[in-house]
Amino acid sequence: TQLLEQSPQFLSIQEGENLTVYCNSSSVFSSLQWYRQEPGEGPVLLVTVVTGGEVKKLKRLTFQFGDARKDSSLHITAAQPGDTGLYLCASNSGTYKYIFGTGTRLKVLA
Amino acid sequence: DAGVTQSPTHLIKTRGQQVTLRCSPKSGHDTVSWYQQALGQGPQFIFQYYEEEERQRGNFPDRFSGHQFPNYSSELNVNALLLGDSALYLCASSGVALAKNIQYFGAGTRLSVL
Repeated sequence: TQLLEQSPQFLSIQEGENLTVYCNSSSVFSSLQWYRQEPGEGPVLLVTVVTGGEVKKLKRLTFQFGDARKDSSLHITAAQPGDTGLYLCASNSGTYKYIFGTGTRLKVLA
Repeated sequence: DAGVTQSPTHLIKTRGQQVTLRCSPKSGHDTVSWYQQALGQGPQFIFQYYEEEERQRGNFPDRFSGHQFPNYSSELNVNALLLGDSALYLCASSGVALAKNIQYFGAGTRLSVL
């Protein structure tokens, strides 16, 4: 069974700082998704990465898929309080069953 | 266009009781997945329904069962509740005809078992 490990578990930073969170697996991903979940809400899909080495940008968020497709990172530039939330990576490895990581809980202080 | 809606939003039950949670998928979606999210954890896949059949199941006991109706809405039933069943239960919908890897989540039902 594929396991997704995310690090760090918790991150508290000041507004304007940069940060990177990581998602690693013991197995190769067929594709990987990143979600953000705010309190009282369900996860919202941010991006899907499919190709090894792929880089996708979403405003101040940069997503990278490792060349070997076993790891991924999410970099946020100039974090804002609105970025606060739980960041989750997930993969389905070509099946209907999605496996989620344990998440990185980010708090951006104004 | 309504997104994924779940009911109720909160529920309190006692050990041994049974509970039914409901989910209406996003318009145009025909696939519903259920997840359990314990406090401080990522969601865990319970099962997925498509064409009124359970298509895939995660590592959950038979106490967890589900149903999908002809209008694609779905129910999650949990029997003989345990304290450890306390969690946020999330429903996600997706569409085969659409980008099938894109799941839209509801806000969840928070279940507390006392």
